[in-house]
Amino acid sequence: GENVEQHPSTLSVQEGDSAVIKCTYSDSASNYFPWYKQELGKRPQLIIDIRSNVGEKKDQRIAVTLNKTAKHFSLHITETQPEDSAVYFCAARTGNNNDMRFGAGTRLTVKP
Amino acid sequence: GAVVSQHPSWVICKSGTSVKIECRSLDFQATTMFWYRQFPKQSLMLMATSNEGSKATYEQGVEKDKFLINHASLTLSTLTVTSAHPEDSSFYICSASPSGTFNTEAFFGQGTRLTVV
Repeated sequence: GENVEQHPSTLSVQEGDSAVIKCTYSDSASNYFPWYKQELGKRPQLIIDIRSNVGEKKDQRIAVTLNKTAKHFSLHITETQPEDSAVYFCAARTGNNNDMRFGAGTRLTVKP
Repeated sequence: GAVVSQHPSWVICKSGTSVKIECRSLDFQATTMFWYRQFPKQSLMLMATSNEGSKATYEQGVEKDKFLINHASLTLSTLTVTSAHPEDSSFYICSASPSGTFNTEAFFGQGTRLTVV
């Protein structure tokens, strides 16, 4: 089955700096890669996603890149703000059974 | 976006009792729903795939007799934690996507925090 690895587990940046979180996946059949932001005790919220036919996608301060050959994808947050502080999860979804597997998560702290 | 409602949001039960958690898709039909478990400061671990009208598919290491899943309609899946013990205390969360869609966003319920005392 699919195995998703995520790094780093914790990330601390200064307000205004950029943050990058990286994930790798194992199943070449995976073709949908979302990123979720989760605040304590709440449900994950989708912040951006990318499909396997696209190499990069951007939405304001957030961007995601995908390298299908290397089976890795990354989340980039620019001009970070304190409210970006949360736990971020990457995930991979396969077309075969449509289930979604999550990375271990990255706790991002943006210091004012 | 689509809405998935999970109930209850939190529950405290005595050791040895059973607890049922409901997951409803409010504005779409879902042939498949997914149940996850999340321990504090950890990731969401897929427990099982709930299939409407058929048996659930459980991940390795998840006891199907302990975590009973029923998906009797296209909008409702239930997870029953049977004979709960303190080690079953966790955050349980479901997700679903509209039937017939693949490689699309999964919508999550608000989660259920189970505490077994």
